[in-house]
Amino acid sequence: QSALTQPPSASGSPGQSVTISCTGTSSDVGGYNYVSWYQQHPGKAPKLMIYEVSKRPSGVPDRFSGSKSGNTASLTVSGLQAEDEADYYCSSYAGSNSVVFGGGTELTVL
Amino acid sequence: QLQLQESGPGLVKPSETLSLTCTVSRGSVSSSSYYWGWIRQPPGKGLEWIGSFYYSGSTYYNPSLKSRVTISVDTSKNQFSLNVNSVTAADTAVYYCLSGYSGSSVDYWGRGSLVTVSS
Repeated sequence: QSALTQPPSASGSPGQSVTISCTGTSSDVGGYNYVSWYQQHPGKAPKLMIYEVSKRPSGVPDRFSGSKSGNTASLTVSGLQAEDEADYYCSSYAGSNSVVFGGGTELTVL
Repeated sequence: QLQLQESGPGLVKPSETLSLTCTVSRGSVSSSSYYWGWIRQPPGKGLEWIGSFYYSGSTYYNPSLKSRVTISVDTSKNQFSLNVNSVTAADTAVYYCLSGYSGSSVDYWGRGSLVTVSS
């Protein structure tokens, strides 16, 4: 059970769009439509932003969207705002009732 | 809305057992609507799933931690607990208790509890 691969950092200017990738294998990301994305501000608990690849919990702005192609999932943040600056983590169901996380991506709003 | 709060010692000696409790409010740990579990985050690092349990009584652990971890539930106190034995400095982390509607995503998080392993 290896961690999912995310870029360590990403950045964009206010109003722009940024996409963060999350690469796994056919045993996790590619094998199930159970990819989630979390936002974490410094010193805070993570917050669920996307579940089941592309679904948004109530209250999450529609600027956040998720998708998946093969073994790679993606989170896109459109219309970047200052408050979007945070760490983002992907996770995937990995079979046998287990979950695996990505290493996290630090998003900077320039 | 479900609320979760971790409690337990902030400092544990190497080779001893780390014990944390999660108190659930505005919901029941016996509810079949949720699953419950623990995740940890070493300082400055990413998230690691520790384990989860369900209303049915089934419990699942991260294979890399399975030999040292136990998750248990006390329905009378509406709490669930985490024990990690034979701890080392590598177990130093913020430990989050959590809940969700499906086993693949976390809808509710505790605020986190920093546990440091040091003599």
